[in-house]
Amino acid sequence: DTAVSQTPKYLVTQMGNDKSIKCEQNLGHDTMYWYKQDSKKFLKIMFSYNNKELIINETVPNRFSPKSPDKAHLNLHINSLELGDSAVYFCASSQGSGLATDTQYFGPGTRLTVL
Amino acid sequence: AQSVTQLGSHVSVSEGALVLLRCNYSSSVPPYLFWYVQYPNQGLQLLLKYTTGATLVKGINGFEAEFKKSETSFHLTKPSAHMSDAAEYFCAVSEAGGYNKLIFGAGTRLAVHP
Repeated sequence: DTAVSQTPKYLVTQMGNDKSIKCEQNLGHDTMYWYKQDSKKFLKIMFSYNNKELIINETVPNRFSPKSPDKAHLNLHINSLELGDSAVYFCASSQGSGLATDTQYFGPGTRLTVL
Repeated sequence: AQSVTQLGSHVSVSEGALVLLRCNYSSSVPPYLFWYVQYPNQGLQLLLKYTTGATLVKGINGFEAEFKKSETSFHLTKPSAHMSDAAEYFCAVSEAGGYNKLIFGAGTRLAVHP
């Protein structure tokens, strides 16, 4: 049973398109996250939701919009894709209200390539 | 702002040798500390974490790390490397009292050769 799953695994698209990445967790966790890993493997948090409420919103272009329809799902929609958006996007989840001590469980990643 | 430094982007060891991956953080207030491992084309998996209590923390796969406040360090060690340990290792911190915003180091690629 996959704990944190993401779809699609690979996404290749043209500049200017709009795309979505979906994330689901079956761990019963209350908090979910999106991270971006660039070509140099550097990981940076983008957003976090606790029980469908946004609790962390880093300085991310407003072309990126997270949506949490319920606490088991956190989707990432990206408008007007740019070359610099090419990266691996990781979803994660943690139990509880998103405390700094909580362990985060990561999904397998979605590799986005913008041409 | 909090930052994490991992010395050595690539570390190579022989099978059976000691593994030492270095991590230093910048905050004057000790944060919570984590080590994650990423195998090729996979997500990150927690190896171990330090929040409070004993400063020597044992994790999965025989890894351990020691929190040293005076050195602002949280180095990861394993007495005897195995071929299956070859992966990317990330040190991360989160601020005590804050939300669970992990700040990652740049990662260290561990290679294990026969």
